[in-house]
Amino acid sequence: DAGITQSPRHKVTETGTPVTLRCHQTENHRYMYWYRQDPGHGLRLIHYSYGVKDTDKGEVSDGYSVSRSKTEDFLLTLESATSSQTSVYFCAISESPLQETQYFGPGTRLLVL
Amino acid sequence: GENVEQHPSTLSVQEGDSAVIKCTYSDSASNYFPWYKQELGKGPQLIIDIRSNVGEKKDQRIAVTLNKTAKHFSLHITETQPEDSAVYFCAASIGGDYKLSFGAGTTVTVRA
Repeated sequence: DAGITQSPRHKVTETGTPVTLRCHQTENHRYMYWYRQDPGHGLRLIHYSYGVKDTDKGEVSDGYSVSRSKTEDFLLTLESATSSQTSVYFCAISESPLQETQYFGPGTRLLVL
Repeated sequence: GENVEQHPSTLSVQEGDSAVIKCTYSDSASNYFPWYKQELGKGPQLIIDIRSNVGEKKDQRIAVTLNKTAKHFSLHITETQPEDSAVYFCAASIGGDYKLSFGAGTTVTVRA
């Protein structure tokens, strides 16, 4: 998975609790992305980062925040988890902007009860 | 934003036959079109991509065609094998940006 790890790989939590997912890369790529995958929707972009401390919203960003204090780590936080955020979350990285391949991590399966 | 439609949602083929998956996109500024394969429990893996300055690209049993005028692109897998069974996603760049918009996926089953 191109030097990308995600933690935890599985998590069960309760509605209303905060949750943080971590993406760690060893490729020194500048761009990092968080997606969620749901049946019938493919992969939808939540947030992305184009450098340390530089982040922006994707198409489904409500209820999520991100932080990137180091090149290698990109954190996704669910401020107050809801059942609609039950999903599989994937981190991806790319080396440079414009038409460059995105490499995906192994995913985190999150269940919000 | 970009809207990518992918068809069919499921595809069952006999081993040795060909499989074709089609995608359409809406943004005429899209210029990068990757295809990903996802096996159960794993993250998507890039299998082939095409840029807007070419109409076709081939890599062994896999080929992709692009028709920019009609805004559609297709994945062709020839001589299918059981290990080709997976979910396949198409994607299109959002304008000239580095973000991608994904299709909903096609579950391909190769029958032995």
